[in-house]
Amino acid sequence: SAVISQKPSRDICQRGTSLTIQCQVDSQVTMMFWYRQQPGQSLTLIATANQGSEATYESGFVIDKFPISRPNLTFSTLTVSNMSPEDSSIYLCSVADTAKNIQYFGAGTRLSVL
Amino acid sequence: GESVGLHLPTLSVQEGDNSIINCAYSNSASDYFIWYKQESGKGPQFIIDIRSNMDKRQGQRVTVLLNKTVKHLSLQIAATQPGDSAVYFCAENSSPPSGGSYIPTFGRGTSLIVHP
Repeated sequence: SAVISQKPSRDICQRGTSLTIQCQVDSQVTMMFWYRQQPGQSLTLIATANQGSEATYESGFVIDKFPISRPNLTFSTLTVSNMSPEDSSIYLCSVADTAKNIQYFGAGTRLSVL
Repeated sequence: GESVGLHLPTLSVQEGDNSIINCAYSNSASDYFIWYKQESGKGPQFIIDIRSNMDKRQGQRVTVLLNKTVKHLSLQIAATQPGDSAVYFCAENSSPPSGGSYIPTFGRGTSLIVHP
């Protein structure tokens, strides 16, 4: 299994500001995923981040709002830009074990926007 | 579009009882299903999986049943313990494009509350 560390674990931000969330994996992985989990809801995929290429965004999510970096095979960042209260959510990073088709998740970043 | 959903958002049980969490899926092309457990303040964690060529799979205290006829999945937890209190998600995968990776579609989740 993979060990995933996310920072920060939580934050309270003012509207109009941006927050960058970091995700560190203890092994090299090709694909990393960013999810949003709104209060009491399931997980919604924001984008898939491949090292060396542009991230692939799901319908309803755009790069200007959620820019992603993937500088190497163990690290990725997700930025939530120009935040509004509607962005209050848990943001989760995950990686896939392609041999087992299982995803491993970080503990998440709990974001509150005032 | 295709979706995965759960019948019950909250399930309360007494410690020692058996728990059954249900999930309905609609994508008949799905060939792989996973149950995840998410404890408070943590990310989802893999519990058990099942492929579409099976109808039952057992783990330690957990059993997953798959009924492809009615597109229904269930997770049974035997002798439920307070530590089982969490939100449980089912997820469905369909075979990825060549060279691709499974990206699951998650159901809404069921909150399991175990009373001592």
